[in-house]
Amino acid sequence: DAGITQSPRYKITETGRQVTLMCHQTWSHSYMFWYRQDLGHGLRLIYYSAAADITDKGEVPDGYVVSRSKTENFPLTLESATRSQTSVYFCASTGGSGREKLFFGSGTQLSVL
Amino acid sequence: KNEVEQSPQNLTAQEGEFITINCSYSVGISALHWLQQHPGGGIVSLFMLSSGKKKHGRLIATINIQEKHSSLHITASHPRDSAVYICAVFQGAQKLVFGQGTRLTINP
Repeated sequence: DAGITQSPRYKITETGRQVTLMCHQTWSHSYMFWYRQDLGHGLRLIYYSAAADITDKGEVPDGYVVSRSKTENFPLTLESATRSQTSVYFCASTGGSGREKLFFGSGTQLSVL
Repeated sequence: KNEVEQSPQNLTAQEGEFITINCSYSVGISALHWLQQHPGGGIVSLFMLSSGKKKHGRLIATINIQEKHSSLHITASHPRDSAVYICAVFQGAQKLVFGQGTRLTINP
């Protein structure tokens, strides 16, 4: 299923720069999520959104900002990147009340130097 | 204590063995998902459960809502089943929380 796409696939940036990771889904799913995956921590929820213009913090939101002006897009912005934000970022979406299949983007590998 | 606990964290078995991975959760949920991630790969959904049992090929997933427990079984395991298996629960119809994952290695 190519209905959820993340971009870029790889990103290298410097400390202090602003970075935006994009997530786009074509199913009009109501729920969208951003996770980071680090060795030893598994997947940790950064932010989630239940619908357009509705977002909420997850487990590790500090240093990140999200918006959801349109149902299909859920960009994640690192306002001032830090080395601790070097990680693999996954976007996911699902419909209903979580009782539908989950779909994940291919991930963005971010390196902050 | 994590809201979602998986066991074991690591599992190594021989080809052909019957595999069981367990997931326990401590909160009310609307659904539980089993996911698979191959090394260096993306994450794919295997099952969504809100009750009972589901089967797809050699994979079987069960859930006991009263006991807040789910299991993923793999019959006749194969080296291509080697991956990380992740349990995720949908809480309060909004938040998706993941377990730490179980790293499965099947040796030929």
